[in-house]
Amino acid sequence: RKEVEQDPGPFNVPEGATVAFNCTYSNSASQSFFWYRQDCRKEPKLLMSVYSSGNEDGRFTAQLNRASQYISLLIRDSKLSDSATYLCVASSGYSTLTFGKGTMLLVSP
Amino acid sequence: GAVVSQHPSWVICKSGTSVKIECRSLDFQATTMFWYRQFPKQSLMLMATSNEGSKATYEQGVEKDKFLINHASLTLSTLTVTSAHPEDSSFYICSASTSGRLYNEQFFGPGTRLTVL
Repeated sequence: RKEVEQDPGPFNVPEGATVAFNCTYSNSASQSFFWYRQDCRKEPKLLMSVYSSGNEDGRFTAQLNRASQYISLLIRDSKLSDSATYLCVASSGYSTLTFGKGTMLLVSP
Repeated sequence: GAVVSQHPSWVICKSGTSVKIECRSLDFQATTMFWYRQFPKQSLMLMATSNEGSKATYEQGVEKDKFLINHASLTLSTLTVTSAHPEDSSFYICSASTSGRLYNEQFFGPGTRLTVL
């Protein structure tokens, strides 16, 4: 079983739509969670950390359910510039990151 | 924010040659550097972790004699792909982190695209 699983998509949505991505992780020792964004042929960039209490950064909301080992990312009012691959990441601590394969988002005019 | 550079950004080489990729932290001291590989439509896979001044720790399935890692200073790590073959063609990305916290944020370099003919 893969350690971090995501639906690869692509998710095709119109501008202004709300879209949600889900992710599950198998390592119950994971302590920290993140969403990264990766543009085509570029390096991943940290989008936001994910906290148990849930956190919001502008149009982006991330949530964590430790009991279900489930992480989500909600994007409201999608922009064309949001088109990218979103990587779910789990860490068991001390810098080791485990990446999911990513979910591709395509926002169209 | 912290900046990590990689050089070269892309390289094309013949099968059997060796390729060296440099990873530099430009404005901070990186106690730990990581090397990842990403094949098309796949996730980033950690290849090895290196701490300055010590031998790298390789992930299972990664040949240490084929992927030589040197982390001689707090700002530079190199990955040498020895006797490269077409199956080594991939996107190689390094990241760097500093010490002092349970989770040490990794700052990623822009990646090096290797094509072996």
